[in-house]
Amino acid sequence: GAVVSQHPSRVICKSGTSVKIECRSLDFQATTMFWYRQFPKQSLMLMATSNEGSKATYEQGVEKDKFLINHASLTLSTLTVTSAHPEDSSFYICSALDNGGTQPQHFGDGTRLSIL
Amino acid sequence: GQQLNQSPQSMFIQEGEDVSMNCTSSSIFNTWLWYKQDPGEGPVLLIALYKAGELTSNGRLTAQFGITRKDSFLNISASIPSDVGIYFCAVPQGGSEKLVFGKGTKLTVNP
Repeated sequence: GAVVSQHPSRVICKSGTSVKIECRSLDFQATTMFWYRQFPKQSLMLMATSNEGSKATYEQGVEKDKFLINHASLTLSTLTVTSAHPEDSSFYICSALDNGGTQPQHFGDGTRLSIL
Repeated sequence: GQQLNQSPQSMFIQEGEDVSMNCTSSSIFNTWLWYKQDPGEGPVLLIALYKAGELTSNGRLTAQFGITRKDSFLNISASIPSDVGIYFCAVPQGGSEKLVFGKGTKLTVNP
């Protein structure tokens, strides 16, 4: 089946640090990937849609300069949280579309980001 | 934006019992997805539904796509401890491939 790998699984760093999270589709090509954020005891909230070879599209209220997304190949999208602060601490999850770009989305295992 | 009403919010059951949860919306959808999320992990797809009225099983799990296309339910039969987790329904948002998630049903199974 479709496997999505996310790395790292956990990051703890100081305030002001920039953090990069990778999302890879291991056995399929994904022209579209998605980045979600999940706060404790809440559902997944879509942050942005990552499109291979073009700019990401961001959901309302998500700062594009804060959350930089790069989708340089058909198997890799990266999310960089720039100058992270404690309020950016959260669980970040990526997903990818296989099946010719139609549902369902397949999810990575998430990255727990903790900013001190 | 489109919202899904997922219920119940949480369930506490005994091992061996059957479980039912559902999602409803005021909007019509052409796809309903059910995911399970274990603590500290990403959601895992359980069942995908693509046709109104469709009833699909995956082991002890059964899900149905409501005939009105505004709801779906997920049943788990003969629950076991490893069924513990949070179950989410999800639908593609407004003609795109972006997903909207329900708020989840947290399932606890007592041995």
